[in-house]
Amino acid sequence: QVHLVESGGGLVWPGGSLRLSCAASGFTFSDYYMSWIRQAPGKGLEWVSYISGVGSSKFYADSVRGRFSISRDNAKNSLYLQMNSLRVEDTAVYYCVRVGQFDYWGQGTLVTVSS
Amino acid sequence: DVVVTQSPLSLPVTLGQPASISCRSPQSLVHSDGNTYLNWIQQRPGQSPRRLIYQVSNRDSGVPDRFSGSGSGTDFTLKISRVEAEDVGLYYCVQGTHWPFTFGGGTKVEIK
Repeated sequence: QVHLVESGGGLVWPGGSLRLSCAASGFTFSDYYMSWIRQAPGKGLEWVSYISGVGSSKFYADSVRGRFSISRDNAKNSLYLQMNSLRVEDTAVYYCVRVGQFDYWGQGTLVTVSS
Repeated sequence: DVVVTQSPLSLPVTLGQPASISCRSPQSLVHSDGNTYLNWIQQRPGQSPRRLIYQVSNRDSGVPDRFSGSGSGTDFTLKISRVEAEDVGLYYCVQGTHWPFTFGGGTKVEIK
């Protein structure tokens, strides 16, 4: 059974950094693109970043490019999102999602950027 | 980016009555492999999103058969044949044909 468990969210000052993690299980992790998708309070879903199975291809939304960095460790079945220079508008629940046409989602981790 | 347009924004429905949500793309969502990667996502209040329908019309495991997806090319529809209380929430279409994949803006289904 596929499980995706995010961690690492929290309260951070504007300009600060956080690193999100996603622990995956129940499938061959390296076979899949993985993504981070976020949802700001009361808003819709917004994709943040994708990474290919071997980590060689990465994609970022314009809103985070240059500030966020996605990575993965296939030996540990883990996905990461390094978030730097955080802004108030980055406040959201961040979901780890398997990009097999969005078939599996984690429970999400809340990131709050506030002074 | 392919901007996928969903309508309506809000959908008040009487219990037991049907509901329909539209999703439109400015360009065809038929992939070069011949498949059409248009999916529907449900998000109940306080829960994580989950996929309901993949490749236009295929229900995911455990999804009630009152949910159906249809359409082709650029126009797609999610239908609920008889709305139940547990169907309240947000519904999103998401295209997985053209990078970057994009979500519709969402439709809020609520009970009248």
